[in-house]
Amino acid sequence: TQLLEQSPQFLSIQEGENLTVYCNSSSVFSSLQWYRQEPGEGPVLLVTVVTGGEVKKLKRLTFQFGDARKDSSLHITAAQPGDTGLYLCAGFRAGNMLTFGGGTRLMVKP
Amino acid sequence: GAVVSQHPSRVICKSGTSVKIECRSLDFQATTMFWYRQFPKQSLMLMATSNEGSKATYEQGVEKDKFLINHASLTLSTLTVTSAHPEDSSFYICSARTSTVHSGNTIYFGEGSWLTVV
Repeated sequence: TQLLEQSPQFLSIQEGENLTVYCNSSSVFSSLQWYRQEPGEGPVLLVTVVTGGEVKKLKRLTFQFGDARKDSSLHITAAQPGDTGLYLCAGFRAGNMLTFGGGTRLMVKP
Repeated sequence: GAVVSQHPSRVICKSGTSVKIECRSLDFQATTMFWYRQFPKQSLMLMATSNEGSKATYEQGVEKDKFLINHASLTLSTLTVTSAHPEDSSFYICSARTSTVHSGNTIYFGEGSWLTVV
């Protein structure tokens, strides 16, 4: 059982559609991060959320940290084929160890 | 920005041999490095936490005698897969945490190393 549960695990949509990825836990995290990973490469940090209720925007991506700091969401507006990839949420726990969710594999079809 | 480099990026070895993967922080000192394993279409699973000058802390289920980790300096950690078997074939990724505490936690990931055991 993973500490961070991501949903959906896989998402295939058409270009221009909107989507939301969820990251949930029963544990409280000091901060949560979202990464995007391409096949055969290391994950690339998209954002870090620290404060409960915080909302951050990165172009068409909107990230939200739950009020209780147990969950987070990633919303993509007007998805493009270039958004295709594996999206990972990760939370910091004791000892500054970063634990990852199961990942959401997104495919955006042109 | 900070860079973490892994070497080799791809390696193929014969079953029963040992393979060493290096993780270097190129422009900062990393007191702590982390090693992850990622199987195809799965997420990253933390294997161990490596602290400079001390023994690594392994996650439950990870064999410390099989996955030897050495963090001899503030810029280098190595992972040696001993007596490798085909089931050890995976994508291994390291990350490094800066030694200076800023606002929030700053961790940088390497590019990953593909290991194929034949």
